[in-house]
Amino acid sequence: KAGVTQTPRYLIKTRGQQVTLSCSPISGHRSVSWYQQTPGQGLQFLFEYFSETQRNKGNFPGRFSGRQFSNSRSEMNVSTLELGDSALYLCASSLGLLALEDTQYFGPGTRLTVL
Amino acid sequence: AQKVTQAQTEISVVEKEDVTLDCVYETRDTTYYLFWYKQPPSGELVFLIRRNSFDEQNEISGRYSWNFQKSTSSFNFTITASQVVDSAVYFCALSEARNQGGKLIFGQGTELSVKP
Repeated sequence: KAGVTQTPRYLIKTRGQQVTLSCSPISGHRSVSWYQQTPGQGLQFLFEYFSETQRNKGNFPGRFSGRQFSNSRSEMNVSTLELGDSALYLCASSLGLLALEDTQYFGPGTRLTVL
Repeated sequence: AQKVTQAQTEISVVEKEDVTLDCVYETRDTTYYLFWYKQPPSGELVFLIRRNSFDEQNEISGRYSWNFQKSTSSFNFTITASQVVDSAVYFCALSEARNQGGKLIFGQGTELSVKP
């Protein structure tokens, strides 16, 4: 079974631009979560989508948004980029059903650099 | 509020030594889930183990073992006879049932360096 895939793997943008990152979950998984990893703040939860609906949300400004499509693929968008948005963005997928032995499996991440 | 603390920022050992990575968590939920992930230099988080709050059995998988103690809110990870390939950053994480498993709260991570 293929794992979680993220595109692009690397991205360089300038301040003020906007960016869209993509995540394809493991086949059969309906939940996709996004995390931001920086040296200073560590791994922080951004949001989770389940069956095209945002189910959980972290403490990030409105510049960070996401969506999920009917095939469970997800995108996240960051508008008006700031230098502090430079980070590794990780996507994770899971069945989304807590009653089972459900676990989040992570993709390789997208490394975003804002200049 | 939920919180995960990994007090050890960096640990350095020599190959074949045993090493324990500490994890202390805080939660008000009675049903929660604890995880350990490994992050090698490539960046991808690799799942190691999941433990449910109602299951305090310790677990052993090869050279890896986990000790879950609800009384001290700890979920420690021991690597026996460490190897150079174990060098990575290890993260402990917490998920609460009310978030339906979709939100992981991570500790700051422990960077393990195993020298030959």
